[in-house]
Amino acid sequence: EAGVAQSPRYKIIEKRQSVAFWCNPISGHATLYWYQQILGQGPKLLIQFQNNGVVDDSQLPKDRFSAERLKGVDSTLKIQPAKLEDSAVYLCASSSRDIASTDTQYFGPGTRLTVL
Amino acid sequence: DQQVKQNSPSLSVQEGRISILNCDYTNSMFDYFLWYKKYPAEGPTFLISISSIKDKNEDGRFTVFLNKSAKHLSLHIVPSQPGDSAVYFCAASPTGKLIFGQGTTLQVKP
Repeated sequence: EAGVAQSPRYKIIEKRQSVAFWCNPISGHATLYWYQQILGQGPKLLIQFQNNGVVDDSQLPKDRFSAERLKGVDSTLKIQPAKLEDSAVYLCASSSRDIASTDTQYFGPGTRLTVL
Repeated sequence: DQQVKQNSPSLSVQEGRISILNCDYTNSMFDYFLWYKKYPAEGPTFLISISSIKDKNEDGRFTVFLNKSAKHLSLHIVPSQPGDSAVYFCAASPTGKLIFGQGTTLQVKP
């Protein structure tokens, strides 16, 4: 079974530029998550999707971050415009159960973003 | 507000000995806890979990203990192996989302 795929693996941009990350979850997983992991910290949830609907985006800085999950499969996370403090690893994860259950989340390798 | 805390940033143990990683949480409503392991340039991988209705869960060399009254959990690795060297994150799961601690870097010396 293929794991969670993410691209690109690395991205370097200048502040005020825009950037987009892509995630393909494990086949059949209805729930998809985007996390931000700043160096030296644990991952922090940005947004959670159930199929193509948003379940929780309370930690997403909506003035500059946006995410979508069209057709309930792939997802993209966009930052526009980027700030220096957005430098982090962006992790995508998926799980198979619905939002009322707790299940293991499977993570992709992440995208390391550097904002100069 | 750090709801899940791992107060030891790093731990070094000798191969074959026990590794004990600790984690504290603040919210008594948390009902499910997980440990993830992370190698450099990879995403976290699931290691072991425990429900709040249990106080111990074992899987091979890995055992997680939960002390609800102290809001504390620990991961024991016995015996430790050099391949266990990684960053370990504990996480609490209220209603399906994960709240992570800061991580502990474990180094197992041959």
